[in-house]
Amino acid sequence: TQLLEQSPQFLSIQEGENLTVYCNSSSVFSSLQWYRQEPGEGPVLLVTVVTGGEVKKLKRLTFQFGDARKDSSLHITAAQTGDTGLYLCAGVVGNFNKFYFGSGTKLNVKP
Amino acid sequence: NAGVTQTPKFQVLKTGQSMTLQCAQDMNHNSMYWYRQDPGMGLRLIYYSASEGTTDKGEVPNGYNVSRLNKREFSLRLESAAPSQTSVYFCASTESGPEQYFGPGTRLTVT
Repeated sequence: TQLLEQSPQFLSIQEGENLTVYCNSSSVFSSLQWYRQEPGEGPVLLVTVVTGGEVKKLKRLTFQFGDARKDSSLHITAAQTGDTGLYLCAGVVGNFNKFYFGSGTKLNVKP
Repeated sequence: NAGVTQTPKFQVLKTGQSMTLQCAQDMNHNSMYWYRQDPGMGLRLIYYSASEGTTDKGEVPNGYNVSRLNKREFSLRLESAAPSQTSVYFCASTESGPEQYFGPGTRLTVT
């Protein structure tokens, strides 16, 4: 059983559509990160959210941390083919020594 | 800056063989981590080192040992490889916050 549950596992959409990826847990996290991973490479950090209710925007990507710091969402507006990849959420419980990753959402954006 | 480097990139082992995966970072980070990534499982923490001279177990430490050789280097050793250890292994580092920087990974197959 994973501490962080991500949904959906797979998402295949057309270019220009919007989408939301969810990351849920019953545990409280001191911070939560979102990463994007391309095939054959390591994950690359997109954003860190720390405060309950926090919203961060990165161009067409909007990240939200739940009020209770147990869940997060990633919303992409007008998806582009370059958004294709594996999106991973990761939470930190307590200090910054133990990270827990979700199982990932594999996004495919078709032209 | 090379960031986080890992060697080798690929390795095939027979059951029972041993090997060491090497990781080095040039960002002067205090904390380093070893993860394994399996399909549908996200990343799972094997061991981490909060600072030079210290190491601690993560979620899945069985079958592995680690050495924090100095501030730059953190190695992962498989003493007697098993097919269940077939995976992609990632090394990561952080300064003092939750943002992790990952290496490119080592793809290990145990036959």
